[in-house]
Amino acid sequence: DAGITQSPRYKITETGRQVTLMCHQTWSHSYMFWYRQDLGHGLRLIYYSAAADITDKGEVPDGYVVSRSKTENFPLTLESATRSQTSVYFCASSDRSGNTIYFGEGSWLTVV
Amino acid sequence: GDSVTQMEGPVTLSEEAFLTINCTYTATGYPSLFWYVQYPGEGLQLLLKATKADDKGSNKGFEATYRKETTSFHLEKGSVQVSDSAVYFCARSNFNKFYFGSGTKLNVKP
Repeated sequence: DAGITQSPRYKITETGRQVTLMCHQTWSHSYMFWYRQDLGHGLRLIYYSAAADITDKGEVPDGYVVSRSKTENFPLTLESATRSQTSVYFCASSDRSGNTIYFGEGSWLTVV
Repeated sequence: GDSVTQMEGPVTLSEEAFLTINCTYTATGYPSLFWYVQYPGEGLQLLLKATKADDKGSNKGFEATYRKETTSFHLEKGSVQVSDSAVYFCARSNFNKFYFGSGTKLNVKP
């Protein structure tokens, strides 16, 4: 039972570079989410998706792009990375009932 | 707007002490409520949940009761262990959107 896998787990990039964080889930869950975790802010929702080809903004979407061409994948792209995007990024998924959300192990991103 | 507020940490306790971490929420309708735990270097894991008023969620000695009248979902454990040291997040969901509190770090000393 692979669950949710994120890659890369750790990434250092330079300001202005494009970075893509990958997320893959094996449960065929309808809903997928991207959160960022920062000290003092807890978890903040960046984008979410209710199904393939359906995405919507969360609390902090600026500077990020998502796509969902297949149910199992939900990549997050930072088009031009900034230092303020240094964070831990968590991908998550839930089924249609919304009873529980399941998290990946996180991607640690440092922008220098 | 809808939100989740939990007590600030860190909370430092001795082993076998009683734990309470307060959580209150504001929401329209009748949300489901959750506690998640995050161990160092890991993602969040579901600890317990409650889906309607007066439900009690429980797991691994932790409990929380969905109190609609006080809009609260406080986490309790009668006797904490060093292995309970982690960050605890209260959360609520409405229509498949999940909102999290800022997290409370628990340190348990031997």
